[in-house]
Amino acid sequence: GAVVSQHPSWVICKSGTSVKIECRSLDFQATTMFWYRQFPKQSLMLMATSNEGSKATYEQGVEKDKFLINHASLTLSTLTVTSAHPEDSSFYICSARVAGPYNEQFFGPGTRLTVL
Amino acid sequence: DQQVKQNSPSLSVQEGRISILNCDYTNSMFDYFLWYKKYPAEGPTFLISISSIKDKNEDGRFTVFLNKSAKHLSLHIVPSQPGDSAVYFCAALTGTASKLTFGTGTRLQVTL
Repeated sequence: GAVVSQHPSWVICKSGTSVKIECRSLDFQATTMFWYRQFPKQSLMLMATSNEGSKATYEQGVEKDKFLINHASLTLSTLTVTSAHPEDSSFYICSARVAGPYNEQFFGPGTRLTVL
Repeated sequence: DQQVKQNSPSLSVQEGRISILNCDYTNSMFDYFLWYKKYPAEGPTFLISISSIKDKNEDGRFTVFLNKSAKHLSLHIVPSQPGDSAVYFCAALTGTASKLTFGTGTRLQVTL
């Protein structure tokens, strides 16, 4: 199947700093990528849909000024957590959509963010 | 509003036996269902899927059953192996939207 990478795999930062997470589709082009967040023992919650060349579509309750998404190319989307606080600590996962009858998504390995 | 529910947060099964993971949904517009397996600190990996026009799909040890009238699907793993121990998520989507709606997950523990 298609491969999606994320960088970094884990990051620890101080409160108030900004953190950028990259999501790359390695062997295919993805016009659409998705960003999810997973709290401990909870489901994956879709944060936003990232479309190449246009603004991201955010889910209800997700602050777009807090979680900046840029889909700069067909293989790269970035999520920047601005002015991170401890409550932003979570596991962030991206996925990339492969065009097809059911638009299958392939997931990255995730990024563990810990804000001190 | 949880449109996809997995009511069993955990399940323990003996190696070699059958594991049955259940999933219920409320949105009748869902027309494609997927099961993902997830290890801690990793992204989900796709296991098996089923279209709403089918009631069964089988792939090796994994079989997914869909009961549209009951809005219920299940994943059967037989025989269960220790390496199957993970969290399993069911997910659903509609043909007009690419957004996956995930269930809350079931942690499967396969014991020796």
